[in-house]
Amino acid sequence: EAGVVQSPRYKIIEKKQPVAFWCNPISGHNTLYWYRQNLGQGPELLIRYENEEAVDDSQLPKDRFSAERLKGVDSTLKIQPAELGDSAVYLCASSQGMNTQYFGPGTRLTVL
Amino acid sequence: DQQVKQNSPSLSVQEGRISILNCDYTNSMFDYFLWYKKYPAEGPTFLISISSIKDKNEDGRFTVFLNKSAKHLSLHIVPSQPGDSAVYFCAARTKETSGSRLTFGEGTQLTVNP
Repeated sequence: EAGVVQSPRYKIIEKKQPVAFWCNPISGHNTLYWYRQNLGQGPELLIRYENEEAVDDSQLPKDRFSAERLKGVDSTLKIQPAELGDSAVYLCASSQGMNTQYFGPGTRLTVL
Repeated sequence: DQQVKQNSPSLSVQEGRISILNCDYTNSMFDYFLWYKKYPAEGPTFLISISSIKDKNEDGRFTVFLNKSAKHLSLHIVPSQPGDSAVYFCAARTKETSGSRLTFGEGTQLTVNP
């Protein structure tokens, strides 16, 4: 069974530019999560989807971050415009309800 | 407010010996605790978990102990192998109105020397 797929794996952009990350969860997993992991820290939740509904976006910086999960499968996380402090690894995870979360490999973003 | 803390950024042990990784938490509402392992350039991989109503869970070389009164859990790896070298994250779960949320610690870099 395929795991969580993320692309791109690496992205380097200049500040003020937009960037988007894509995630394909494990088949059948209705819950999808986006996390941000700063260097030397654990993952921090940005947003959680139950099917196509964002049920927890309290940690998402809504002035520049947006996310969508059309049709309740794939998801896209966007940053516009990016700032230097957005440099981090962005992780996508999926689960069946409250069961174990499985993570993708992440996208390492560098903002110059 | 760091609700889950791993106070040791790194740990080094000899192959064949025991590795003990520690985690402390503050929120009494956590109902499940998990350990994830992370290799460089990969996402975290689930390792083992324990319910808050238990005090021990064992899976092969990995055992997790939970001390609720002390709000402390630990992961024991016996015997340690060089392939166990990775960053280990402790995570704690809270049930939400819809679904659940994980709160992660900062991670501990384990190095197992041959």
